[in-house]
Amino acid sequence: DSGVTQTPKHLITATGQRVTLRCSPRSGDLSVYWYQQSLDQGLQFLIQYYNGEERAKGNILERFSAQQFPDLHSELNLSSLELGDSALYFCASSAPDRSYGYTFGSGTRLTVV
Amino acid sequence: DAKTTQPPSMDCAEGRAANLPCNHSTISGNEYVYWYRQIHSQGPQYIIHGLKNNETNEMASLIITEDRKSSTLILPHATLRDTAVYYCIVRALGQAGTALIFGKGTTLSVSS
Repeated sequence: DSGVTQTPKHLITATGQRVTLRCSPRSGDLSVYWYQQSLDQGLQFLIQYYNGEERAKGNILERFSAQQFPDLHSELNLSSLELGDSALYFCASSAPDRSYGYTFGSGTRLTVV
Repeated sequence: DAKTTQPPSMDCAEGRAANLPCNHSTISGNEYVYWYRQIHSQGPQYIIHGLKNNETNEMASLIITEDRKSSTLILPHATLRDTAVYYCIVRALGQAGTALIFGKGTTLSVSS
């Protein structure tokens, strides 16, 4: 157990639907990062939140959004789902100045049918 | 884009040392070198990091050249469980942290 909790572990949904992925960061960590990993794209950085505020954006589609709540958990919302959104979605967290970097969760496997 | 270059794949015999190279010729003075690995669709796992001195922990050793333009991750006695994709990443520290940008990494295959 890395200390970063992601739910659900697996999700199957139909095209056009909307889903929410949840991440609880490691205790004491203020930053949350979301990554997408599909078979042909590798690990793609999506977005970062720090203490409730958006800090950096990567390759996140407009159909996707995220937020970080006062208790520091984060949610990634994926809407108007397409087949190509099928992927593993990882959440990671880090603490200020914690030099060893990130702790990753075990991921949510999203399958769009 | 990733700021590192790694060979796409390497093989290693079980029990032997695995030496994984990484080039980061454009590294800045405030950027650390990080190594992570990902075992078959699990979340990436932190291995080790360093700035300019060589580092060792219970998992591996990190050798950084004096000019900091390249580094080598050493797994001293590779086991079958070390089969994974290994990522070399450069990253600056900061209060809010900065995103880890993953490249394609090196797929290490350890065989008996």
